[in-house]
Amino acid sequence: EPEVTQTPSHQVTQMGQEVILRCVPISNHLYFYWYRQILGQKVEFLVSFYNNEISEKSEIFDDQFSVERPDGSNFTLKIRSTKLEDSAMYFCASRVGSGNTIYFGEGSWLTVV
Amino acid sequence: GENVEQHPSTLSVQEGDSAVIKCTYSDSASNYFPWYKQELGKGPQLIIDIRSNVGEKKDQRIAVTLNKTAKHFSLHITETQPEDSAVYFCAASPNSGYALNFGKGTSLLVTP
Repeated sequence: EPEVTQTPSHQVTQMGQEVILRCVPISNHLYFYWYRQILGQKVEFLVSFYNNEISEKSEIFDDQFSVERPDGSNFTLKIRSTKLEDSAMYFCASRVGSGNTIYFGEGSWLTVV
Repeated sequence: GENVEQHPSTLSVQEGDSAVIKCTYSDSASNYFPWYKQELGKGPQLIIDIRSNVGEKKDQRIAVTLNKTAKHFSLHITETQPEDSAVYFCAASPNSGYALNFGKGTSLLVTP
């Protein structure tokens, strides 16, 4: 079964450093998402991306965050200057089109120290 | 914005018993309600979803009911098995393509 793949599975970074989390969505999917889950808390929406632009974003997704689909297969989340509170599991997700199921990857666990 | 409340936060049942998890939502524009199962260290996996034009949907041992008037929906798992043990999240959105607003999750433990 096709799946959303994410790398790295775990990254430890120093506060203030830039981090890029990578995702390969399912190949024929057109809508892409990033969500995050702080340990023990609920999954929170960050951003959605369609047709090479952001279609929706939450309050969490401030100027420190950016997304990109540089080569038609990868979908990346960049955090410019990480803070301690950015420590969380980051999930990439994708779907084929309107009205279809959103599929999640297994997550990238980010620890900011 | 949408606020999704989920209860209980933990649920322990004996194998073979039923489990019920309930969610309420605040935004009357929400019309898509998926349920996700999350096993330890893994991403959420969709197990069932319902749209607002139906009141109930069933898939083998799993069923979801929706009461749009009362703005609540529930997940029912019958004949529970130990492998059903996981964290279950409900979610709501105005459309299946829009951002999902998740509940806080229910940790289900099925004991043999």
